[in-house]
Amino acid sequence: DAGITQSPRYKITETGRQVTLMCHQTWSHSYMFWYRQDLGHGLRLIYYSAAADITDKGEVPDGYVVSRSKTENFPLTLESATRSQTSVYFCASSESSSHQPQHFGDGTRLSIL
Amino acid sequence: DQQVKQNSPSLSVQEGRISILNCDYTNSMFDYFLWYKKYPAEGPTFLISISSIKDKNEDGRFTVFLNKSAKHLSLHIVPSQPGDSAVYFCAASASSGAGSYQLTFGKGTKLSVIP
Repeated sequence: DAGITQSPRYKITETGRQVTLMCHQTWSHSYMFWYRQDLGHGLRLIYYSAAADITDKGEVPDGYVVSRSKTENFPLTLESATRSQTSVYFCASSESSSHQPQHFGDGTRLSIL
Repeated sequence: DQQVKQNSPSLSVQEGRISILNCDYTNSMFDYFLWYKKYPAEGPTFLISISSIKDKNEDGRFTVFLNKSAKHLSLHIVPSQPGDSAVYFCAASASSGAGSYQLTFGKGTKLSVIP
């Protein structure tokens, strides 16, 4: 089925470890986004990508790295995880024209001990 | 500095009645507004949107109203059903300038529809 999938759905890791969250979409959407959702903050944009090999920072990029070598994949890496990065992470994608909604995956719940 | 505000963290409504969820914004560059619905352990699902050239958009039981002068939008659900119980997020974007295509979200309003 076409759509956007995130993996893993749940992840527990320790501080200082590197962890990568995967995002894959089958719509061939140009734009892809990573958000984190925390209590009291709603959804905050971490990074986004307008096309393969084009990425840019969002509101809360510190501590995260992204890449986009293929249009359909947009992995998010925490190079050295900290407890403050415990959160639920959502990936989204949208078409390239303006006034288009973003479509979200089901999220990855990440706990850093 | 919160650019999109949902001042009511929660709302309870009787089944069959109208639910009204409110959202205020401060950035005058915003010209596209969306509502998302989110169930626990799922991603946000797009519900309805409105462009700044309109003041109303309707889709079945859901209607969004936009008041540009007041920088205010609202989502009306009529009639409310128990399956509408979820967290509703308001979001906005600007189609020009730096950061176009990015969505800025409110903190959400938890709607509970009581049978």
